[in-house]
Amino acid sequence: AQKITQTQPGMFVQEKEAVTLDCTYDTSDQSYGLFWYKQPSSGEMIFLIYQGSYDEQNATEGRYSLNFQKARKSANLVISASQLGDSAMYFCAMREGSSNTGKLIFGQGTTLQVKP
Amino acid sequence: SQTIHQWPATLVQPVGSPLSLECTVEGTSNPNLYWYRQAAGRGLQLLFYSVGIGQISSEVPQNLSASRPQDRQFILSSKKLLLSDSGFYLCAWSTGQLGGGYTFGSGTRLTVV
Repeated sequence: AQKITQTQPGMFVQEKEAVTLDCTYDTSDQSYGLFWYKQPSSGEMIFLIYQGSYDEQNATEGRYSLNFQKARKSANLVISASQLGDSAMYFCAMREGSSNTGKLIFGQGTTLQVKP
Repeated sequence: SQTIHQWPATLVQPVGSPLSLECTVEGTSNPNLYWYRQAAGRGLQLLFYSVGIGQISSEVPQNLSASRPQDRQFILSSKKLLLSDSGFYLCAWSTGQLGGGYTFGSGTRLTVV
């Protein structure tokens, strides 16, 4: 069964510094997708970045990049040049390719606080 | 463009009362639809998903049920609410493709008192 693990309940980072949020996953599928979402205090879920299991290059979206290490089954999110508005909860999620249901399974999340 | 509507935004209901949360999607056809619940400060737990009209799959046994009476309408219901049903409920839709976007509604914060 697929599983997502985020081991950092909370993180602090100084404004303008980079931060890495950890995510490991477990799946027996060869084809799968990995997602990161941001959830501010308002509760909305904001899509940040996607990495496919067959993508050869690490995904990047502006200040967000995904450090994908397939052999280690890790998909860490790197936020460069942190801003105060980055303070939020961050979720890693996975979807298995063998299923047409498209179910997205989430980790427990990491709360990031950016200090001025 | 595709949009997803979810209402109400907040709800306070007494124990034992019924519940109906509605979610509708616009701008797409035959979406995969999902209901998630989030306890305070926790991750999202998948409750139900649907790949077509009338097709509902439940992920966890619980006091809730779901229905999909129309292609772009997904309803979460309960006949009698429990205190443990309190939480933040999110509806979402996606295409069936692996890298397909996954769009969430704005959520309903349910408090059972």
